[in-house]
Amino acid sequence: NAGVTQTPKFQVLKTGQSMTLQCAQDMNHEYMSWYRQDPGMGLRLIHYSVGAGITDQGEVPNGYNVSRSTTEDFPLRLLSAAPSQTSVYFCASSYLGRGSSYEQYFGPGTRLTVT
Amino acid sequence: AQSVTQLGSHVSVSEGALVLLRCNYSSSVPPYLFWYVQYPNQGLQLLLKYTSAATLVKGINGFEAEFKKSETSFHLTKPSAHMSDAAEYFCAVSDPGAGSYQLTFGKGTKLSVIP
Repeated sequence: NAGVTQTPKFQVLKTGQSMTLQCAQDMNHEYMSWYRQDPGMGLRLIHYSVGAGITDQGEVPNGYNVSRSTTEDFPLRLLSAAPSQTSVYFCASSYLGRGSSYEQYFGPGTRLTVT
Repeated sequence: AQSVTQLGSHVSVSEGALVLLRCNYSSSVPPYLFWYVQYPNQGLQLLLKYTSAATLVKGINGFEAEFKKSETSFHLTKPSAHMSDAAEYFCAVSDPGAGSYQLTFGKGTKLSVIP
């Protein structure tokens, strides 16, 4: 199993540009989520999904869109990039079934710089 | 609402000394608790988890943590620090009893190991 994969690893955008961060998992996990990590702030939840076709907002959703058309994929779209969105982005997934401990598995991250 | 407080954003220990990283939580129901480790430029990896079984939990790389309900704490310890333990450590909580599988993370503690 590849686990959780993210592409690209690094990205530089200009203010106002849009892009999509890709996330895929091959563990058949129902739950997928996107976090951003900023120095001294820990991880903050952007959006999450509990299954295909179901998404919801987390703590810091503004400026980001998500969709979940398959169990495996959960892309994050930046609509109009701003310097405040410079961050490291992590995708994570978890099994939600009976007996689950909701342990999340993380991807390697995407480091995004907006100039 | 659940929350996590990690005391000390930066902890330094000498190689071979005791590692103690502090985590206190607030939760309206018995929580699940997790410690994750992040090595430089990598994603998060689960160290250990508490899911209402034994209160003393052993994890990977010689780490362990004890759930103390009376103190609402879940401190992470390792008897003897190794240079390879230098990383950032995150405590996280979820409230499965309340139907919430989302993780709330602390802001992280960066561990330095001095040779």
